Order: sequence, then C-alpha cells, then structure tokens
Amino acid sequence: EDQVTQSPEALRLQEGESSSLNCSYTVSGLRGLFWYRQDPGKGPEFLFTLYSAGEEKEKERLKATLTKKESFLHITAPKPEDSATYLCAVQAVEYGNKLVFGAGTILRVKS
Amino acid sequence: DTGVSQNPRHKITKRGQNVTFRCDPISEHNRLYWYRQTLGQGPEFLTYFQNEAQLEKSRLLSDRFSAERPKGSFSTLEIQRTEQGDSAMYLCASLRSGGPYEQYFGPGTRLTVT
Repeated sequence: EDQVTQSPEALRLQEGESSSLNCSYTVSGLRGLFWYRQDPGKGPEFLFTLYSAGEEKEKERLKATLTKKESFLHITAPKPEDSATYLCAVQAVEYGNKLVFGAGTILRVKS
Repeated sequence: DTGVSQNPRHKITKRGQNVTFRCDPISEHNRLYWYRQTLGQGPEFLTYFQNEAQLEKSRLLSDRFSAERPKGSFSTLEIQRTEQGDSAMYLCASLRSGGPYEQYFGPGTRLTVT
C-alpha cells in the first residue's frame, strides 16, 4: 500500500485558472510534510515544509495547507512558468530520517 | 554557488560496466542522502550519511551498489556490473542535522545503461 499518494496524476490549466493538488498520507508519526517543484531533467526544488495540522505556508501564487491525513497545494492564477511536476514527501517516525515521496502531479499551464 | 552539485550530469554506459557518481553537498550540511528516480515516479531513498558514517541503506539497494563519504564532505556512489534496470536519475540531497528537516537536492546524474 502506498503511504504517500498524489492526485491528480496530471493537470492541465489555462493561465489564470486556479486549482489545487492533493497529497494524502497514511503514516502515523508525521514529522514533516514537504512540497517540491521539479522541472524536466532537474533535481527537486524545495518549496515548503509543514509540520502540524492547520499549518499554512505561502509563496507567490502557491499556498500549502496540512490536515491530519492530507495536504493541498493551492495554485492561484497560475502562469505558464508554473508548469512543472510537483512532488510531496513525508518524513515520519516509522521512516527514520529519510523522505518518502509520492509519484508527483504534472502541471501544465497554457497561455 | 553554494548549492548541491553532482557530477557527471549524464552518463551512458554499456551493461556490465562499473560507474561512479560524485556529490558535493552544501558546505555546512553534515547529512547527505542518495535517491534514485525513474520516469513518472518520485525519488526513492537509497542510503544516507551523517558525516562519514553510513547510517541507513535501503533494502532495495543491491550488493552491486556502494556509497562512501570518506571525509564527511563529498560522497561517491558506485554501481558495479550495471544492468539496464539501473537506468535512472540518481539524486543527491543534503541537510544540516539539528536544523530544519528540508533536504536540498542537486541536479542529478542521468544514467543510461545500453
């Protein structure tokens, strides 16, 4: 059973069309949930860390929120340069010091 | 630039050959991680070091894989007798223990085994 599941697998938006990406997890001892952006052929770029339910973080057009079982990455009025794969990862007591990643959501924003 | 660097960026090798990759972490980061990523998947943990000590290895890491961090600075990942299934992006990440948990990734090494 996957411990970190991201949906949708792919998302196409028109420029300015706001939407949300979902990351659900089944770990019990969450120590942190991380969002990364990855462009083709490059390494993941850190965006946010969330540590506890109710926490929110914002950066430009992106806002990340966390509940006890899932996290959302809200994208407001996206631009074509927001096109990328968005990865979430969890660090949990049962995983020790490593991150466990979801498969990612591929976002395409058309102008 | 003080980010994580990896070399080479691309490596094409024939099946059965050995390959070695290098990672230079952010200078003040004492933890260093190796991940493998295949197309359409998120990065998958391989192993990590705190200073020069290798503290954890994935059960998925076969005996053909070995990693070192001899002086607690840069690290190398060697794959012996490469197989086509080893083709992937190999990512290195680092962080400073005791600080925020976010790991900072390098650009990766793309390995193609023909």
